[in-house]
Amino acid sequence: AQSVAQPEDQVNVAEGNPLTVKCTYSVSGNPYLFWYVQYPNRGLQFLLKYITGDNLVKGSYGFEAEFNKSQTSFHLKKPSALVSDSALYFCAVRDMRTGGFKTIFGAGTRLFVKA
Amino acid sequence: DTEVTQTPKHLVMGMTNKKSLKCEQHMGHRAMYWYKQKAKKPPELMFVYSYEKLSINESVPSRFSPECPNSSLLNLHLHALQPEDSALYLCASSRIVPGQGQGTEAFFGQGTRLTVV
Repeated sequence: AQSVAQPEDQVNVAEGNPLTVKCTYSVSGNPYLFWYVQYPNRGLQFLLKYITGDNLVKGSYGFEAEFNKSQTSFHLKKPSALVSDSALYFCAVRDMRTGGFKTIFGAGTRLFVKA
Repeated sequence: DTEVTQTPKHLVMGMTNKKSLKCEQHMGHRAMYWYKQKAKKPPELMFVYSYEKLSINESVPSRFSPECPNSSLLNLHLHALQPEDSALYLCASSRIVPGQGQGTEAFFGQGTRLTVV
């Protein structure tokens, strides 16, 4: 079965410190992995994706993610957190069994960045 | 234009009303989606249209009726909803890239906050 897990409901970090939001996946075949962010009362915004190629993926707003095949992980990182990064973050995988049209989302991790 | 526009932003409707949610994109995307999202939960897929044809229906009750009039528009017709249908309804679109198995990101609208009373 295709799935993603976000083991932390909430992550707290001080402004200026590095942040990590964890994600592990379980897929058959090659994974198509995504990170999205959602601010209050807004839709989801795409941050970055891993399809193939370099394991370190750089995305929007200074975020990056590292694809680790042996650990089946795709953790989201940022070297220096901003208060404005506080939001709900979703890891996601495309379900290739349905032609890739279905996206399976993790439960979400709420990030709080304290000034 | 990289926006997906949803109208209305807020909607309050009675259980006997009929209403429609609208979604529009001008990015040339040929896949469009409806999601339902409850507070602090991930989005749940409802429907997928590819090339203006319904390709996925996630066993959604018939009181929700999708429509894709053309490649830029997606509607969701609502009738006889229940209070538990109150949620944020998100529309999204994405490119279809043959041979890449849909490894493309989705662009989401801001959503319609629906309250059923």
